[in-house]
Amino acid sequence: GAVVSQHPSWVICKSGTSVKIECRSLDFQATTMFWYRQFPKQSLMLMATSNEGSKATYEQGVEKDKFLINHASLTLSTLTVTSAHPEDSSFYICSARSTGGGYGYTFGSGTRLTVV
Amino acid sequence: SQQGEEDPQALSIQEGENATMNCSYKTSINNLQWYRQNSGRGLVHLILIRSNEREKHSGRLRVTLDTSKKSSSLLITASRAADTASYFCATGLNTGGFKTIFGAGTRLFVKA
Repeated sequence: GAVVSQHPSWVICKSGTSVKIECRSLDFQATTMFWYRQFPKQSLMLMATSNEGSKATYEQGVEKDKFLINHASLTLSTLTVTSAHPEDSSFYICSARSTGGGYGYTFGSGTRLTVV
Repeated sequence: SQQGEEDPQALSIQEGENATMNCSYKTSINNLQWYRQNSGRGLVHLILIRSNEREKHSGRLRVTLDTSKKSSSLLITASRAADTASYFCATGLNTGGFKTIFGAGTRLFVKA
């Protein structure tokens, strides 16, 4: 089945630094990937839609300069949290639309970011 | 922005009992999906039901969709302790591009 690999699974960084999270579709091509953010015991909030070869589409309230998204190939999208602050600490999850029938989405295993 | 509301927010049952979770949404949808998430982990896609379908089964899972009421339910029959997880409904929308919006989730605890 379709597999999405997300790295790193967890990262701790200092305030003011930037962190890059990678999302790869391993056995299928994903022209569109999605980035979500999840706070503890809460649901997933869609941050942005990442389109291969074009600019990402950000949801209302999400700072595009803060959360840089690059989708340079059909199998890789990256999310860079720039100048991270403790309030950016969260669980970030990517997903890609599976090509194998239906409209289900395959999710990465998530990245737990802690900014200290 | 979120579109789905789920109830109950938390559900605790005994192993062997059935668990029912409900989801309501606000706008027109292409499909509705149910996902499972174990604590601090990624999501697992359980089942997708299209807007023109009313009921779907997959193993011990049964999903219904009522587009007139903008609601869906997920039934897990003969629950097991391993079913303990958070369950989310997610609506598939086509608003100039496909995207999926998640509900608040139901935390299910199955006691052995």
